[in-house]
Amino acid sequence: AQSVTQLDSQVPVFEEAPVELRCNYSSSVSVYLFWYVQYPNQGLQLLLKYLSGSTLVKGINGFEAEFNKSQTSFHLRKPSVHISDTAEYFCAVSENYGQNFVFGPGTRLSVLP
Amino acid sequence: NAGVTQTPKFRVLKTGQSMTLLCAQDMNHEYMYWYRQDPGMGLRLIHYSVGEGTTAKGEVPDGYNVSRLKKQNFLLGLESAAPSQTSVYFCASSYGASGGALNEQFFGPGTRLTVL
Repeated sequence: AQSVTQLDSQVPVFEEAPVELRCNYSSSVSVYLFWYVQYPNQGLQLLLKYLSGSTLVKGINGFEAEFNKSQTSFHLRKPSVHISDTAEYFCAVSENYGQNFVFGPGTRLSVLP
Repeated sequence: NAGVTQTPKFRVLKTGQSMTLLCAQDMNHEYMYWYRQDPGMGLRLIHYSVGEGTTAKGEVPDGYNVSRLKKQNFLLGLESAAPSQTSVYFCASSYGASGGALNEQFFGPGTRLTVL
């Protein structure tokens, strides 16, 4: 069965600094990988996804993530964060045909002025 | 296109009361899901459905029942609410088992439930 680990529960960072949010997964089969963002008091929305092809995936709002199969990781990065990026970020994995998703516990990104 | 909608947005129940949460999607998605979100635990899957008339248990199904009588609706029921069911509930839908770009889940805005 698949599982997702997000090692950092909270990440504080100053505005305009770079940030990396870490995600590791375990699965015995091929997976699809996703990052979702949840702004305060809202539902989740898709940031980016890896299905196949290039391991570097670009998403909305300047975020990107790199799939590393050997390290079973899918870390999320942004070179320069804004106050508006303050939110909770969830990594998710879906096996095979995506019948079931597993979400990580989330990382709360706080961007400080 | 309304996407995924949830009714109600907020609800307060007393222990032992029952209620039904409604999820509706207008994207003709095959798959629908119910999650609960608790602090520090991310999202946990309660039940899901891979098509009209079918349901399956997720990670935390106890105390909940679901029904998918129509493709566009997925109902989550609490027969006898308990304080441990105080949570934020999210519904989601996706195209289904075709794989590829169709696996993205679309989420509703959530229902905040408090059980006293």
